[in-house]
Amino acid sequence: DVKVTQSSRYLVKRTGEKVFLECVQDMDHENMFWYRQDPGLGLRLIYFSYDVKMKEKGDIPEGYSVSREKKERFSLILESASTNQTSMYLCASSHARNTGELFFGEGSRLTVL
Amino acid sequence: ELKVEQNPLFLSMQEGKNYTIYCNYSTTSDRLYWYRQDPGKSLESLFVLLSNGAVKQEGRLMASLDTKARLSTLHITAAVHDLSATYFCAAVRRGSNYKLTFGKGTLLTVNP
Repeated sequence: DVKVTQSSRYLVKRTGEKVFLECVQDMDHENMFWYRQDPGLGLRLIYFSYDVKMKEKGDIPEGYSVSREKKERFSLILESASTNQTSMYLCASSHARNTGELFFGEGSRLTVL
Repeated sequence: ELKVEQNPLFLSMQEGKNYTIYCNYSTTSDRLYWYRQDPGKSLESLFVLLSNGAVKQEGRLMASLDTKARLSTLHITAAVHDLSATYFCAAVRRGSNYKLTFGKGTLLTVNP
């Protein structure tokens, strides 16, 4: 089974702090994604990566950056956290030459005070 | 820009009844995905529909895809309480192999 592991299930940070959310997948998937999920808004794509060191902006990239130094690991960075970034963050991965089906991690619930 | 709309957004049904969740998308897409999310949990893949007319069934759930109408349906037969969850559909814009666009989700509650 595909396993996508997110390093932290729950985080509480203060406004202005730098936040790192880590995601690791063990199925050699080329594609990795970061979504945020908010009530009433569904899932919105922040960034995705289709290869090591490659990234592309999603629909809501402002205030975020990403890093993919190794194929299995995709990090989401909040340079200076703000209260409106309080949300559930979901990491996902997929095989580039398959159906496009996403496999999700358990999620990281971030609260910014 | 691809937009995905689900309806209804909230659905309360009695055990044993049938119902359908609709998923419309705005631009050409060859693929449609259905996911389930339980409270406090992540998303679990239910169905991947890859062509016009595709139909897939698992237990009491059946999904179909009509690419000409830009419509997918998730049909629930003889609902049971264990089906209570939020259901999301997602589509991929043609030419964009990677990026799924999700609907806002349908919160399904099955009452005894």
